[in-house]
Amino acid sequence: QSVLTQPPSASGTPGQKVTISCSGTNSNIGKNYVSWYQQVPGTAPKVLIYTNNQRPSGVPDRFSGSKSGTSASLAISGLQSEDEADYYCASWHDSLNAQVAFGGGTKLTVL
Amino acid sequence: QVQLHLSGPGLVKPSQTLSLTCAISGDSVSSHSSAWSWIRQSPSRGLEWLGRTYYRSKWYYEYAVSVKSRIAINPDTSKDQFSLQLESVTPEDTAVYYCARWDHDRSFVDYWGQGIQVTVSS
Repeated sequence: QSVLTQPPSASGTPGQKVTISCSGTNSNIGKNYVSWYQQVPGTAPKVLIYTNNQRPSGVPDRFSGSKSGTSASLAISGLQSEDEADYYCASWHDSLNAQVAFGGGTKLTVL
Repeated sequence: QVQLHLSGPGLVKPSQTLSLTCAISGDSVSSHSSAWSWIRQSPSRGLEWLGRTYYRSKWYYEYAVSVKSRIAINPDTSKDQFSLQLESVTPEDTAVYYCARWDHDRSFVDYWGQGIQVTVSS
């Protein structure tokens, strides 16, 4: 069971806006940055969002991130067929043995 | 442009040690702004961070609780690479293994290696 909780699946039609949630605690999201990754099957994950809401160069502005309290969200607007992939959130988890925590992943289907 | 090239065996026998190496180009394993990490992925466990090493006047090592008793991550400054050793493996350690660069200040993985499927089986 993952430390960060994501819905296992999400879907939308082309052009729609989809939001994926990531729920944590005061030991991770509540006090640390959140990042989001996109993974197409058979390839390594690719960062979409870092420090809660920043996009690396080359990531379309259709992707946006936000954080409030112990939860974070990834929004994808103007959904495209190429957005069909798995999406993961991550955050540093402070504890006796601090470590990186990942969400369980959300499979996005473009209908 | 940073590139990470992962190498190592794809098949390991139960109870043996899994050893992988990640060669860095475009950065240095001794960089003061990066941390060098190992992450694995399996259908049953999802993405799992295993640990990292980084240099800030001295070397630091941080490991996930789940593997802390049997993992070692070591830098090799002469070759700008770092390695993973996971002892006493079981079929539960079967996964795709990634090496990655962790941006220490902004707390995210900005570069990933290509990934290697490691199967633990006799």
